[in-house]
Amino acid sequence: DAGITQSPRYKITETGRQVTLMCHQTWSHSYMFWYRQDLGHGLRLIYYSAAADITDKGEVPDGYVVSRSKTENFPLTLESATRSQTSVYFCASRQGRAGGRVKDTQYFGPGTRLTVL
Amino acid sequence: AQRVTQPEKLLSVFKGAPVELKCNYSYSGSPELFWYVQYSRQRLQLLLRHISRESIKGFTADLNKGETSFHLKKPFAQEEDSAMYYCALNHGNKLVFGAGTILRVKS
Repeated sequence: DAGITQSPRYKITETGRQVTLMCHQTWSHSYMFWYRQDLGHGLRLIYYSAAADITDKGEVPDGYVVSRSKTENFPLTLESATRSQTSVYFCASRQGRAGGRVKDTQYFGPGTRLTVL
Repeated sequence: AQRVTQPEKLLSVFKGAPVELKCNYSYSGSPELFWYVQYSRQRLQLLLRHISRESIKGFTADLNKGETSFHLKKPFAQEEDSAMYYCALNHGNKLVFGAGTILRVKS
């Protein structure tokens, strides 16, 4: 589990500011994911990446930007933070597929609690 | 459309009582289902997956395709089982999560 880390763990910012949440994994997993966790909604996928330089939108991508120049890093940027983006953000990674099926499951980071004032 | 429904936001039971956390899914293909657990102040972790047919920490879950359900069960709840539980469905390369159920085991 220590193979996937997030920083910062806690962040308070103001409306309109840009914020970047970092995610780093040491397993060389192909897939990486960003979720937000909100009471009553569970985990909702924001963006995901199948490999370096390949990203795709999830369920709730608006207001977020991602990049993946290196396999091990997958930063999430809130370009202009809004109060509705106050949430706990989880990064996850997964090895990939084999034989057409999910070879392994997702491993989650410890989360970043973001508050937008 | 693919969807996971966990109808209970909170389930409160006494220690030693049986537990059943409900999960229903909507999916057109052959489903791959998981249960994840998040203990207090810890990260999410996989509890079990249906293809493994395993029992972890006394929990089991059986896929019922006829009822499109994947309920999580444990015959005797322990206080350390108190946590948030998420049911998840694999859809392509992504997981679709339910809203989660908080399990509280009272002594």
